[in-house]
Amino acid sequence: EADIYQTPRYLVIGTGKKITLECSQTMGHDKMYWYQQDPGMELHLIHYSYGVNSTEKGDLSSESTVSRIRTEHFPLTLESARPSHTSQYLCASSESSGGASTDTQYFGPGTRLTVL
Amino acid sequence: KQEVTQIPAALSVPEGENLVLNCSFTDSAIYNLQWFRQDPGKGLTSLLLIQSSQREQTSGRLNASLDKSSGRSTLYIAASQPGDSATYLCAADLNTNAGKSTFGDGTTLTVKP
Repeated sequence: EADIYQTPRYLVIGTGKKITLECSQTMGHDKMYWYQQDPGMELHLIHYSYGVNSTEKGDLSSESTVSRIRTEHFPLTLESARPSHTSQYLCASSESSGGASTDTQYFGPGTRLTVL
Repeated sequence: KQEVTQIPAALSVPEGENLVLNCSFTDSAIYNLQWFRQDPGKGLTSLLLIQSSQREQTSGRLNASLDKSSGRSTLYIAASQPGDSATYLCAADLNTNAGKSTFGDGTTLTVKP
């Protein structure tokens, strides 16, 4: 059973506010990911991490930033939210190497963000 | 740059039918290919993972195949049920070190009772 959590599940916020989307996993996975998905559209990778103190930008340019101070925690921050940031944000994690079950990505329930 | 395409975009079938969802990718140097299910308003659920050295994987009524040379993967669903209604996404990992999955835009399946 995958244990990956995201909070909040829904967030409505005004333009210019700073927000942090939380993502935590209890599986000890080294790799973690943030994806962005607009309704009816494909998923886009915006950030990923191979482990503690490792963060990389994904394929889709994003104004958000991430940090990985602890293995289990991978928060995403928007310093100044704008309406264009309105979207669903999905967090995922996977094991780093070895075995047939590795690289399977486990996803959190997502955070639906609306910026007014 | 890896591109992943899924056809059809939407599919509606009567209950009990067998069906095939298609996924194609442009770069055959993939590490693995994964099929996901997404229900409205929820996160993704992993269905099947096929390593590059494998040809297919099976789980219950689901069977996924991988043909790297032609850049294709299929997800076969046997004896479809209304509970199978969801969006199905395929994702290709180019290599394990990158850890970046390229997703298709999904096939929305509706199984009618």
